[in-house]
Amino acid sequence: TQLLEQSPQFLSIQEGENLTVYCNSSSVFSSLQWYRQEPGEGPVLLVTVVTGGEVKKLKRLTFQFGDARKDSSLHITAAQPGDTGLYLCAHNTNAGKSTFGDGTTLTVKP
Amino acid sequence: DAGVIQSPRHEVTEMGQEVTLRCKPISGHNSLFWYRQTMMRGLELLIYFNNNVPIDDSGMPEDRFSAKMPNASFSTLKIQPSEPRDSAVYFCASSGGDRRSVNEQYFGPGTRLTVT
Repeated sequence: TQLLEQSPQFLSIQEGENLTVYCNSSSVFSSLQWYRQEPGEGPVLLVTVVTGGEVKKLKRLTFQFGDARKDSSLHITAAQPGDTGLYLCAHNTNAGKSTFGDGTTLTVKP
Repeated sequence: DAGVIQSPRHEVTEMGQEVTLRCKPISGHNSLFWYRQTMMRGLELLIYFNNNVPIDDSGMPEDRFSAKMPNASFSTLKIQPSEPRDSAVYFCASSGGDRRSVNEQYFGPGTRLTVT
């Protein structure tokens, strides 16, 4: 099993601050997904990164895939309370099967 | 599109009873996944189907759990008999349609199961 390690496990910040969360593994991935899960809901897909070194932006969120395709980061600029949630990364083994990390629980205080 | 539909949203049952969870995937998606989420173990894949055929059920905890997908628009996850340690949120997700999106999963709202 290719394990995904996410850090930090918990993060609590004030509105307006910047933050970065990480997703690391010793294995190379063909692609990696980031999801956000709000309390009482299912995870929602944010982005897929495929190419080593790739950077994708989604409003205030910036996703980066490591050059060696073993790790990824998510940077949030000027965090807002609406960014609160569980951020999960996932990779695909084969034929569409995904393995998820344990996630980073982010709390943004107003 | 209504997204992935799960029912019921909440289920409370007594130990030993049979529980059936239902899922309707997004139309056109050809892969369906059942997950279980708990605080202790996170999000665990139980089983997944491709074109209605079970591909990998290695995550199913034990023989008390079974899943079926009789057609492309419906799947069930059954627990019989249920035990308190089965209490969790169960998610159904679907993906597929084309090569680019095959790895991008769309989750339902989940079923919160409590076994007393």
